[in-house]
Amino acid sequence: QKEVEQDPGPLSVPEGAIVSLNCTYSNSAFQYFMWYRQYSRKGPELLMYTYSSGNKEDGRFTAQVDKSSKYISLFIRDSQPSDSATYLCAMSYSSASKIIFGSGTRLSIRP
Amino acid sequence: DGGITQSPKYLFRKEGQNVTLSCEQNLNHDAMYWYRQDPGQGLRLIYYSQIVNDFQKGDIAEGYSVSREKKESFPLTVTSAQKNPTAFYLCASSIVGQVVNTEAFFGQGTRLTVV
Repeated sequence: QKEVEQDPGPLSVPEGAIVSLNCTYSNSAFQYFMWYRQYSRKGPELLMYTYSSGNKEDGRFTAQVDKSSKYISLFIRDSQPSDSATYLCAMSYSSASKIIFGSGTRLSIRP
Repeated sequence: DGGITQSPKYLFRKEGQNVTLSCEQNLNHDAMYWYRQDPGQGLRLIYYSQIVNDFQKGDIAEGYSVSREKKESFPLTVTSAQKNPTAFYLCASSIVGQVVNTEAFFGQGTRLTVV
């Protein structure tokens, strides 16, 4: 069983829709949770970062962590065609440990 | 501007050859990482280093080697022992030891193709 599971998609939604991206994980020791966005043939860039449980909002993006269910989510409101990319969740045990990535979900926003 | 530079962007290798991918960062980060990305498999960790002259194997280290002689540099050698080296290789760096910041910054990647 992989430590981090993520549905690869592809996920296609119309412009303006709310997008929900999710990851599950198996190890309750994870403390740091991140979402990265990766455009085609580019390196990933950090979108959101959360420590432990709770929600975090940044503009149209909201990250949620539910440690009791070992489940994290990224919501995108008012989705735009420029949001079309692969979204990777990532986790680590501590600030000094390696970062473990999900396989990524490919998202397409239709104009 | 601070950042991570990977070179070359595209690399072609003949079977049986060793090739070295370059990764340089000027962010003053202690930790550096090499990942391999294949379609549908996300990022898989090859090697990582948290301090100069020290590095650890990741999940798929076989057929690869690294060195960390300088804080700024973490080159990856893909050896002839790596049976399926065609992939997109990503280098990343991060701050180590700070409670609130574990984000990793990525380079733009090197696409390696075996011909």
